[in-house]
Amino acid sequence: GNSVTQMEGPVTLSEEAFLTINCTYTATGYPSLFWYVQYPGEGLQLLLKATKADDKGSNKGFEATYRKETTSFHLEKGSVQVSDSAVYFCALSDQAGNQFYFGTGTSLTVIP
Amino acid sequence: DAGVIQSPRHEVTEMGQEVTLRCKPISGHNSLFWYRQTMMRGLELLIYFNNNVPIDDSGMPEDRFSAKMPNASFSTLKIQPSEPRDSAVYFCASSLSNLGTQYFGPGTRLLVL
Repeated sequence: GNSVTQMEGPVTLSEEAFLTINCTYTATGYPSLFWYVQYPGEGLQLLLKATKADDKGSNKGFEATYRKETTSFHLEKGSVQVSDSAVYFCALSDQAGNQFYFGTGTSLTVIP
Repeated sequence: DAGVIQSPRHEVTEMGQEVTLRCKPISGHNSLFWYRQTMMRGLELLIYFNNNVPIDDSGMPEDRFSAKMPNASFSTLKIQPSEPRDSAVYFCASSLSNLGTQYFGPGTRLLVL
């Protein structure tokens, strides 16, 4: 079956540090991959997505590359800010876009 | 453009009472999802609809929970009777089928005393 596994948190970084949050997936066919972000007290928001192998999604300085050979979609940012403190969810949708699977979320805290 | 609208934003009720949560998806979207989020269990998919038809309700915890989508612009999630363990944030999300991106509402924070 389809599933998503992301690194356990919480993660605490100093401002301007490099961020990596690992995400690996199991899926049949050709899923689409997503990163969502949830700021305190809010709903989830789409951060970036990639719909085929080797695609790179990017937004707000965050990047993730769809790696079919390693079944991974790791989230990276070169220099985090305090405002990036949030919970990050990796997710995939099946080929039809109707079944959605979320990871357990990784909490990030960035300290000044 | 209006996003997904949920009401109420906050609900406090007593054990045994009926609770109804409401959701208006983004116009034109034909898939709708109900999620529950708690610290203990994280984000759980309860049920989702495609073209107003329930497709997968395997996440609905028990018979006390029911969901309906009478038309393309409205859905309800009902808990009857409510219990303290139902306290959580309930999110509604919608998407265009075959594109996969889900758009979440702001959530309803439910507290059952």
